[in-house]
Amino acid sequence: DVKVTQSSRYLVKRTGEKVFLECVQDMDHENMFWYRQDPGLGLRLIYFSYDVKMKEKGDIPEGYSVSREKKERFSLILESASTNQTSMYLCASPPLGGKGWNEQFFGPGTRLTVL
Amino acid sequence: GNSVTQMEGPVTLSEEAFLTINCTYTATGYPSLFWYVQYPGEGLQLLLKATKADDKGSNKGFEATYRKETTSFHLEKGSVQVSDSAVYFCALQYNFNKFYFGSGTKLNVKP
Repeated sequence: DVKVTQSSRYLVKRTGEKVFLECVQDMDHENMFWYRQDPGLGLRLIYFSYDVKMKEKGDIPEGYSVSREKKERFSLILESASTNQTSMYLCASPPLGGKGWNEQFFGPGTRLTVL
Repeated sequence: GNSVTQMEGPVTLSEEAFLTINCTYTATGYPSLFWYVQYPGEGLQLLLKATKADDKGSNKGFEATYRKETTSFHLEKGSVQVSDSAVYFCALQYNFNKFYFGSGTKLNVKP
């Protein structure tokens, strides 16, 4: 089974801090995604990566950046955390190479609170 | 543009009741359609999928049929259990990197 893990389940940070959220997948997938989940809004795509050092902006990239130095690891970075970034963050990775239709395999999520 | 609309919750049912969660979509072309489930404290898991019109996806007693004429993908289960309590997300995939999710419907099943 594909496994997608996230470094923290719960995180509390202060406004202005730099925050790193880590995601690791163990099946050599090219594609990895970062979403945020908010009540009533569903999942919104922040960034995705289709290969090492390759990234593309999703629908809501403002205030975020990403890093993909190794194929298995995709990091989401909040350069200067703000209270409106309090949310659940979900990492996902499809099981195939990104060609054709794919289902997403999700990590357990990181619930981030910014005070 | 592409989008997914699903019924607002929460939906509260008694055990063994019939479940329907409505989902409609807007898309150009021929997307694939999915239902995901999120149990408390967990990430999303794929529940079922359908890749073309008239396909029926099924899993764990849940079913959904891809209806192109009504642009719908309603989730149904004949007899829900307490363990089905979760949040259900309808989603479509338009391209290899384009997934669109509904806002989620919370289901509460009471014994």
